[in-house]
Amino acid sequence: GAVVSQHPSRVICKSGTSVKIECRSLDFQATTMFWYRQFPKQSLMLMATSNEGSKATYEQGVEKDKFLINHASLTLSTLTVTSAHPEDSSFYICSAKVHGLAGYNEQFFGPGTRLTVL
Amino acid sequence: KNQVEQSPQSLIILEGKNCTLQCNYTVSPFSNLRWYKQDTGRGPVSLTIMTFSENTKSNGRYTATLDADTKQSSLHITASQLSDSASYICVVSAYSSASKIIFGSGTRLSIRP
Repeated sequence: GAVVSQHPSRVICKSGTSVKIECRSLDFQATTMFWYRQFPKQSLMLMATSNEGSKATYEQGVEKDKFLINHASLTLSTLTVTSAHPEDSSFYICSAKVHGLAGYNEQFFGPGTRLTVL
Repeated sequence: KNQVEQSPQSLIILEGKNCTLQCNYTVSPFSNLRWYKQDTGRGPVSLTIMTFSENTKSNGRYTATLDADTKQSSLHITASQLSDSASYICVVSAYSSASKIIFGSGTRLSIRP
C-alpha cells in the first residue's frame, strides 16, 4: 500500500516557539493531504485539508494563523504550530488521499508526531 | 446530521477469545466504510474497506460485515492475540464534492494473557 511518513516522530519544545511537522507521501503523489489532532483516548479530529498549490481549508474552530499549512509539492505538506503553548500538546497525524483502483478514495495515514510543549 | 457511533467504548477479553465490535452510522449518501486499527502512539492502519454492494470482507483474523439497509457494520476478531490490543476506528465516507469523511470515536480493545 501507499506509504506516508511524518517527521519528526516526537518533538518537545518550549512555550512560545514554533514547530514544523512534515508529512510526505513516499511512493505516490497526493494532491490532497489531511491534518488531524488526537488527544489521549479520543478519536482523530480533522484540523484542515491541504491541497497542493492552494490554500488549506480549515475546520471550524481551528485557527489558521496558529496552524500554518503549506502543501508546496505533490509529495510534501507541512504543518507549523506557531507560538506553541502547553494546550497545543497533542498527537498530530497526517494522511494522504489516494484514488483507489475500485473507484473510491482511500486515505493512508502517517505514523503521527507527538508534540509536547513545556 | 452525519454521525458514526461505535460500541462498546472499551473491551477487555482474554487471549484466544473472539470479539465483535459494532459501528452504526447515519452518513448519507453513503460511499464506503473502513475499519482502522490504531496502536497507541501510532497512526491508523487500514484493515478493511467496503462499499455499498459488499457485505463481508476478511483480512486474516479480521472479518468486517456491512448491512447498508440498517446502516450497521461489525468487525469480528477471531482467536485474539496480545498484538490485537489497540483502538479500532470505524470511518464512513459520504459522496460529496468535499469527500466528507466521518470518524467514529473508536473502541479500545485490550487483550489479556
